[in-house]
Amino acid sequence: DQQVKQNSPSLSVQEGRISILNCDYTNSMFDYFLWYKKYPAEGPTFLISISSIKDKNEDGRFTVFLNKSAKHLSLHIVPSQPGDSAVYFCAASVGGSTLGRLYFGRGTQLTVWP
Amino acid sequence: EAQVTQNPRYLITVTGKKLTVTCSQNMNHEYMSWYRQDPGLGLRQIYYSMNVEVTDKGDVPEGYKVSRKEKRNFPLILESPSPNQTSLYFCASSLRGPKLDNEQFFGPGTRLTVL
Repeated sequence: DQQVKQNSPSLSVQEGRISILNCDYTNSMFDYFLWYKKYPAEGPTFLISISSIKDKNEDGRFTVFLNKSAKHLSLHIVPSQPGDSAVYFCAASVGGSTLGRLYFGRGTQLTVWP
Repeated sequence: EAQVTQNPRYLITVTGKKLTVTCSQNMNHEYMSWYRQDPGLGLRQIYYSMNVEVTDKGDVPEGYKVSRKEKRNFPLILESPSPNQTSLYFCASSLRGPKLDNEQFFGPGTRLTVL
């Protein structure tokens, strides 16, 4: 049972425009969320995170928004660049005794074209 | 150079032949974890370790074993591999864990094919 869902397998955006990647979750105990980016033939790399006590976190061109009532988060990339073309994974974590567990979505392939 | 290394990078084997994929990190990290990536399924956590001699199951631990006898190494053992374990495997490490610190470093991946 997928507790973290990325329902869009792919997204295509023109360079300079905004990319919005979405993620939904079902477990209300999740209290920390992360986004990873993955290029082909490489391991994932951490991008940005957000705690459930916040509704927004910004880092340069990347902003993550969290809507707890809707169990939804989104990653905004502005402006999008061709180098952003990669697979983006949303992940969620629960605290307590399962501190090391990390639940991933299935990923969204972002393509940024010139 | 700070890094997570995995060996081998590519492996083709046959059903039932025990194998070990090694993972090593040189950053003195307490937390290490194994994931598999499959088309359409994304990344799924197999096992993780919060520290030496402390390991826990992830999403898909069946058919895998791990051990954490020393901080730098976290081998993944397939006692009797089956074709459904054909996958791309990633090892990762971080100082304290994915929630306590963000920078989880991933290895380059091991492409495993079980015939």
